[in-house]
Amino acid sequence: EDQLVESGGGWVQPGGSLRLSCSGSGFTLDDKPMHWVRQRPGKGLEWVSGINGDAATMAYSDSAKDRFTISRDRESLYLQMSSLRPEDTARYFCVKDGGNNILVKGGFFDSWGQGILVTVSS
Amino acid sequence: DIQMTQSPSSLSASVGDRVTITCRASQTIGTFLNWYQQRAGEAPRVLISGASNLEGGVPSRFSGSGSGTEFSLTITSLQPEDFATYYCQQTYSIPPTFGQGSKLDIK
Repeated sequence: EDQLVESGGGWVQPGGSLRLSCSGSGFTLDDKPMHWVRQRPGKGLEWVSGINGDAATMAYSDSAKDRFTISRDRESLYLQMSSLRPEDTARYFCVKDGGNNILVKGGFFDSWGQGILVTVSS
Repeated sequence: DIQMTQSPSSLSASVGDRVTITCRASQTIGTFLNWYQQRAGEAPRVLISGASNLEGGVPSRFSGSGSGTEFSLTITSLQPEDFATYYCQQTYSIPPTFGQGSKLDIK
């Protein structure tokens, strides 16, 4: 079973930056589309960003656009977060897509990491 | 963005009961609808993709149906491990949006 492991979370002051990483335990991320999904404390799931296997196609939520950058290499997925705000406080999940392209209908999120906590507070 | 609305937001049931959760999309999405289960303190896991396709390892007591804008998740004969929060998600268009969740707890 695919296992995804996130790292890089923690506490940061408003306006600060943080870089999340995600790697596959015992497997490479290969060419599958990948996403970051977050969950604020006590709240629901919110898609943040996605990237195709070729690393050339990315998409962002309105809240992430212009502040977050998703990237990947063969081994890992990344989320560079800057200009962080208190409302970015959440658990961030690394997610593998069972489809083939984030821009094509019909994807589904078939593997999830346990998530990593990001706290933005002064 | 496509808005996904689930009902009810919370429900109570007993082991052995049958429950149905509904998900409505703000515009037609065909059958590009997925269902996830999230137990307390755990990551979500996909139950159903494409509105009605049961994912590997998911018990057959789970089923999904619907198309267009109206979808449902049904759990027959509830088991203790089924008490969790359920989310629908559309992947018809970017951004892939989730419903607000339906929390199922023990009566």
